Amino acid sequence: EPEVTQTPSHQVTQMGQEVILRCVPISNHLYFYWYRQILGQKVEFLVSFYNNEISEKSEIFDDQFSVERPDGSNFTLKIRSTKLEDSAMYFCASSLLTGNTGELFFGEGSRLTVL
Amino acid sequence: GENVEQHPSTLSVQEGDSAVIKCTYSDSASNYFPWYKQELGKRPQLIIDIRSNVGEKKDQRIAVTLNKTAKHFSLHITETQPEDSAVYFCAGIINNDMRFGAGTRLTVKP
Repeated sequence: EPEVTQTPSHQVTQMGQEVILRCVPISNHLYFYWYRQILGQKVEFLVSFYNNEISEKSEIFDDQFSVERPDGSNFTLKIRSTKLEDSAMYFCASSLLTGNTGELFFGEGSRLTVL
Repeated sequence: GENVEQHPSTLSVQEGDSAVIKCTYSDSASNYFPWYKQELGKRPQLIIDIRSNVGEKKDQRIAVTLNKTAKHFSLHITETQPEDSAVYFCAGIINNDMRFGAGTRLTVKP
């Protein structure tokens, strides 16, 4: 069964460093998402991406964040200068249809620890 | 603004009892209502969903009911088992993107 894959599974970084989290969505999916989950809290929407551009972004997704689809398979989330409060699990998700009508498939997540 | 609210935040039941979790939403244009289960340290996974043209959907021990007039939908788990222990999230659509409720931590005591 096709899956969303994410790398790395865990990354530890120093405050102020740049981090890139990588995702390979399911190959025929058209909509891509990043969500964040701080330990013990809810899954928070960061950004959605469709047709090579951002569709929506939340108030969390400030100028320190960016997303890119550098080729036909990868979807990346970059945090330019990490802060302590960026420590969280970051989930990539993809869907065949827009979120209003179809299931989201999540990757296993990338745990980011900022020291 | 638009939001998704979920109750209760924690729920503890005895094995074999039923559990009900309720979610309210604000966007009247919503027409897709999913429930996700997240086990400790794992990704959220869809367990059941309903679309606005039906009022109830059942899949073995789990069911979802929808009341569009009142803008709420509920997850029902019958004959609960210890492996049902997890955090359950409802989701609603805000600006065409899926936003999650705060989650309900369900504990099923053997």
